[in-house]
Amino acid sequence: EAGVAQSPRYKIIEKRQSVAFWCNPISGHATLYWYQQILGQGPKLLIQFQNNGVVDDSQLPKDRFSAERLKGVDSTLKIQPAKLEDSAVYLCASSLEAGTDTQYFGPGTRLTVL
Amino acid sequence: KNQVEQSPQSLIILEGKNCTLQCNYTVSPFSNLRWYKQDTGRGPVSLTIMTFSENTKSNRRYTATLDADTKQSSLHITASQLSDSASYICVVSTLNTGTASKLTFGTGTRLQVTL
Repeated sequence: EAGVAQSPRYKIIEKRQSVAFWCNPISGHATLYWYQQILGQGPKLLIQFQNNGVVDDSQLPKDRFSAERLKGVDSTLKIQPAKLEDSAVYLCASSLEAGTDTQYFGPGTRLTVL
Repeated sequence: KNQVEQSPQSLIILEGKNCTLQCNYTVSPFSNLRWYKQDTGRGPVSLTIMTFSENTKSNRRYTATLDADTKQSSLHITASQLSDSASYICVVSTLNTGTASKLTFGTGTRLQVTL
């Protein structure tokens, strides 16, 4: 079974530039999550989708971050404009359903903002 | 406020030795607790999941315990191997009626196994 795919794996940009990350969840998984993991910290949930609807985006900095899940499958997370403090690993995860089901994580995208 | 605290922050042990990682949580209402292993440059991978009624669960050389009364969990690694070097993250899930559950992540324990 293929896992969660993410691209790119690494990205270096200058502050105030824009960047986009892509995630392809495990086939059949209805729930998709985007997390931000700053070095030395645990992941922080940015947004959760159930199919193509947003379930929780309470911690998403909506002035600069946006996310969408086209047709309830792939998802993109965008930052515009980026700040230095956005340097982190952005993890995508998926699960069959929300609730107690195990989340399967992708390898992440490491973003460095200079 | 829901919180998950892990200790120690980092740990270095010799190959073949055992170790125990701790997790204390103040999450309510409690649904389940998971331990994840995160290798450097990789996403977290689930090791164990325990619900309120489970006290212990094993997965190969990993044994997790849960004391729901004291809100503590531990992850014991037996006969450590170099490949066990990773961050171990404790994650507690709340069960919210009518909405999706929320996960609270600990900051992780970074384990290094050396020769």
